[in-house]
Amino acid sequence: RKEVEQDPGPFNVPEGATVAFNCTYSNSASQSFFWYRQDCRKEPKLLMSVYSSGNEDGRFTAQLNRASQYISLLIRDSKLSDSATYLCVVNMRSGNTPLVFGKGTRLSVIA
Amino acid sequence: DAGVTQSPTHLIKTRGQQVTLRCSPISGHKSVSWYQQVLGQGPQFIFQYYEKEERGRGNFPDRFSARQFPNYSSELNVNALLLGDSALYLCASSQSTGDYGYTFGSGTRLTVV
Repeated sequence: RKEVEQDPGPFNVPEGATVAFNCTYSNSASQSFFWYRQDCRKEPKLLMSVYSSGNEDGRFTAQLNRASQYISLLIRDSKLSDSATYLCVVNMRSGNTPLVFGKGTRLSVIA
Repeated sequence: DAGVTQSPTHLIKTRGQQVTLRCSPISGHKSVSWYQQVLGQGPQFIFQYYEKEERGRGNFPDRFSARQFPNYSSELNVNALLLGDSALYLCASSQSTGDYGYTFGSGTRLTVV
């Protein structure tokens, strides 16, 4: 089983739609969780951290279910500018440790 | 404040050559990590350095090496380049624990021909 798994998509949605991405991770000792956004041929950029209590940033909502080892990202009222690849990222251990990335889910928002 | 800076931005090398990539972290960040991203995949961890010491190494051959300098900048070296080493090489800096997420540089795109 891969350490971090995501549906690669692509997800093609119309403007204004709500879209949800899911991610599962294999290591129950994982400490920190993030969603990164990556535009074509650019570097990944932190979109938001994911907390057990869930967190919201404008149109974006992230949820973490530690029992199921599952992370989600919900985007409401999709904009054309949301088109990108969304990477699920897990920090596997505490301390100064590397991040483990999923392959990413590609989103295309269509006018 | 400057973000994470990487150089060069693009590089073309031939098989068998050696390459050195450079990274300067955000001021105050002491941890630098290197990742390789091939097309269609998520970034794969290569090395992490903290306070000039190697703290982690991914599943890469010994042709890959790195170091961190007293000013926390870092170099990634790849010897005996193969066609499969063609990728985007990303450097990320973080504060000590990385719990707040990592900031990536814009990367070095390496093409091996």
